[in-house]
Amino acid sequence: EAQVTQNPRYLITVTGKKLTVTCSQNMNHEYMSWYRQDPGLGLRQIYYSMNVEVTDKGDVPEGYKVSRKEKRNFPLILESPSPNQTSLYFCASRERGGRETQYFGPGTRLLVL
Amino acid sequence: AQSVTQLDSQVPVFEEAPVELRCNYSSSVSVYLFWYVQYPNQGLQLLLKYLSGSTLVKGINGFEAEFNKSQTSFHLRKPSVHISDTAEYFCAVYYGGSQGNLIFGKGTKLSVKP
Repeated sequence: EAQVTQNPRYLITVTGKKLTVTCSQNMNHEYMSWYRQDPGLGLRQIYYSMNVEVTDKGDVPEGYKVSRKEKRNFPLILESPSPNQTSLYFCASRERGGRETQYFGPGTRLLVL
Repeated sequence: AQSVTQLDSQVPVFEEAPVELRCNYSSSVSVYLFWYVQYPNQGLQLLLKYLSGSTLVKGINGFEAEFNKSQTSFHLRKPSVHISDTAEYFCAVYYGGSQGNLIFGKGTKLSVKP
């Protein structure tokens, strides 16, 4: 089954404790992206990757890091989480090109205390 | 700046009534347009998309949308909604360029009441 998976689905942590949210897709997609969803703000892009070893900032990259060492994986790293990073996070992937459908993971709900 | 505006943050309707969710985007030479749906506690999934050709696009679950270039709009419609259509709906636009990123609206929460 074609899918984007994220782990963990739920996470409670404390300020400053490094964490990683994993994302994996099995569709051989070149393009992958991370979003955060906050009430009233919709989806805002954090980082995206056009291919292996190619990443770039989205609209709200502060406080986040990513890496793309393999085509299928695109982890999101919060090296020193803060309460304002409490949010719902989505990973997405698609074929290269704007015509293509973007496939979303199920989301990771993060609470930073 | 490129932007997508969903004019209604919440739309309450009764079951079997028609509904229209509005989406406007900032003008551009050519765009690709999408509607995604997010059911409670789930990720987003594609409802429909407009790439070219006929301005009326049909999607899943009986939804359709009409592309209006002169009004830079892409409104989503359904003639008769069901309780199961309760969800949040996002309009998204691809403006082109090397980044290849979708710009999302802030979402419209559709609440269908019995």
